[in-house]
Amino acid sequence: AQRVTQPEKLLSVFKGAPVELKCNYSYSGSPELFWYVQYSRQRLQLLLRHISRESIKGFTADLNKGETSFHLKKPFAQEEDSAMYYCALSGRGSSGSARQLTFGSGTQLTVLP
Amino acid sequence: KAGVTQTPRYLIKTRGQQVTLSCSPISGHRSVSWYQQTPGQGLQFLFEYFSETQRNKGNFPGRFSGRQFSNSRSEMNVSTLELGDSALYLCASSLGLPGESSYNEQFFGPGTRLTVL
Repeated sequence: AQRVTQPEKLLSVFKGAPVELKCNYSYSGSPELFWYVQYSRQRLQLLLRHISRESIKGFTADLNKGETSFHLKKPFAQEEDSAMYYCALSGRGSSGSARQLTFGSGTQLTVLP
Repeated sequence: KAGVTQTPRYLIKTRGQQVTLSCSPISGHRSVSWYQQTPGQGLQFLFEYFSETQRNKGNFPGRFSGRQFSNSRSEMNVSTLELGDSALYLCASSLGLPGESSYNEQFFGPGTRLTVL
């Protein structure tokens, strides 16, 4: 079974402060990890994926297989970063045939002025 | 390119009724996945279709079913509605073939808000 845990439902930081959104996963195989973001009144959209190893909007995330974590980080938060963030894992489903996305419960980030 | 569209956007039904939701993927996308989003359970995977075949199914009762047409449009059906089925139902489409990295970049629709009274 695959599971994604985001321990913080709510996270508030001040503008300019560093931010880290935690994500831990459980999966026996080789996972693909993603961060999705949902801004107010907008659709859920992909922010970044671990295989790309890229920085999007100043955010980075490193897959740590030893700690089974994929935390999302940004050194200097901006007010426009306020949104709901979901960590997701793509792994083989229970049927074993095809991969499926399993989402964490999400973290609502609020960046205060 | 137009995004994923879902119809209807809002729906109110009563217990025991059945409902059909529709999803049109981005042009050229062949994979369509469905998710249920609720405040208590978050985003939960329902099922995924590729080339008219259900490739994967989440842990939902048989009242939840779906299908995909030759033009990649998909529908999901919920029969014998229960109060707990009230949720936002999201559809997502992706471009690539299963196994390709682009397969997992999913583009989401705005959702259909279902309320069961």
